[in-house]
Order: sequence, then structure tokens, then C-alpha cells
Amino acid sequence: DAGVIQSPRHEVTEMGQEVTLRCKLISGHNSLFWYRQTMMRGLELLIYFNNNVPIDDSGMPEDRFSAKMPNASFSTLKIQPSEPRDSAVYFCASSLGAGADTQYFGPGTRLTVL
Amino acid sequence: AQTVTQSQPEMSVQEAETVTLSCTYDTSENNYYLFWYKQPPSRQMILVIRQEAYKQQNATENRFSVNFQKAAKSFSLKISDSQLGDTAMYFCALSRGGTSYGKLTFGQGTILTVHP
Repeated sequence: DAGVIQSPRHEVTEMGQEVTLRCKLISGHNSLFWYRQTMMRGLELLIYFNNNVPIDDSGMPEDRFSAKMPNASFSTLKIQPSEPRDSAVYFCASSLGAGADTQYFGPGTRLTVL
Repeated sequence: AQTVTQSQPEMSVQEAETVTLSCTYDTSENNYYLFWYKQPPSRQMILVIRQEAYKQQNATENRFSVNFQKAAKSFSLKISDSQLGDTAMYFCALSRGGTSYGKLTFGQGTILTVHP
């Protein structure tokens, strides 16, 4: 069975541009998590969805960030407009249930905003 | 609030030897789960081992085992017969148990280098 799939793996963009990161969950999983990893702040949860509904978005840095789950298997994280401080590795992870099920991570997207 | 602390920023070990990575945590929950994730240079986050707090028996996965001390809120990872492929950043993580939202709180990570 395929794991969590993320695209693109690398993204380089200029400040002010819109960036869209994509994630495909493991089949049958109904929870989706977006994380950001930086040297300074480590791994931070941005947003959590359960059954396509955003449950916890308290980690979303500001209004420039938005996330959607248009269907049960796919999610996008959009940054508009992007800023250099958004440069980081963005991971999505999925789990089978809403509780303390193990989260399986995608390979991450390395975003560089110039 | 949950916190996870890894006090060893870096560790090194010789191939075939044993190494222990430390982790302490704090939570007000009685039901919770602890995890060790491995992040090699490829940056993929890989689950190494998982421990349920209500289980007294320490979890084991092949060469990886944990020492779970619930009263001390300590959760160390022991890697036996270290291999070069074990070189990675290791993260300790904690989530609330039960059917409620399982938000993961991560430690700062420990960089482990296995030398030939």
C-alpha cells in the first residue's frame, strides 16, 4: 500500500508568490495533519482535519496560510503571499482514526522563499 | 499542556554497540501514547516504536526497545547492535490517548551518528 504522498518535493519561489502544497492520505485514513519543520522551532502542528473537517487550526501562523480537504483522500496547504520566513519543510501525516492512532508521515516538501 | 524534552542534542556510537537516547515528558493526562520517530538525511519521518502509557511492559521492535518509567515521566530509546543506517535525527513524541484528538507534541530531537 502506498504511503502518504506529497508534492512537490522541492519548491523554490519568490516572495509574494502563491505556493500550494499537496498531500494524498493513505487509503482508509480519516485524519490529516500538516506540520512545519524549521531549525528554530522544530516540528510544529499547523492544522488537523478529521473526516475532512478542520478540527484544530490553532497552529496556522496567520491568514496567509490556508488548508483544505476537498475530499477524503486529498489536502492542500496554500500560502499567499509567501514570505522568506515561510521557508521550511512541510510535512503532512495521516492516521486511521481521530484518537491516538499512529501518524504516518509523507516525505515532506522543502519550501524556499527567496 | 504537554511538553517533551530531549536533553541530548547529539550522540554518537560505534557500529555494533548500544546507545540510549533520553526523553522526558510532562502531561496531565492519564491515558497517553509515546512515540519515537526517526528522521534520516532523506528527511522522511519514520515511526520507530510506540508505547501505550497504560501498558507496563516496555515496547520492543527488533533492535529498538524503550525504558518507560511512568512515575518519572521518562521514555528512553535503546538501540542495540547499532548500524550505519541508524544514523538520523530521533524525535520523541507524546499524544493524548483515547478517542479524542491525538495531537502529537515533539521533542527537539537528538542527532545520532553511528561510526564504522
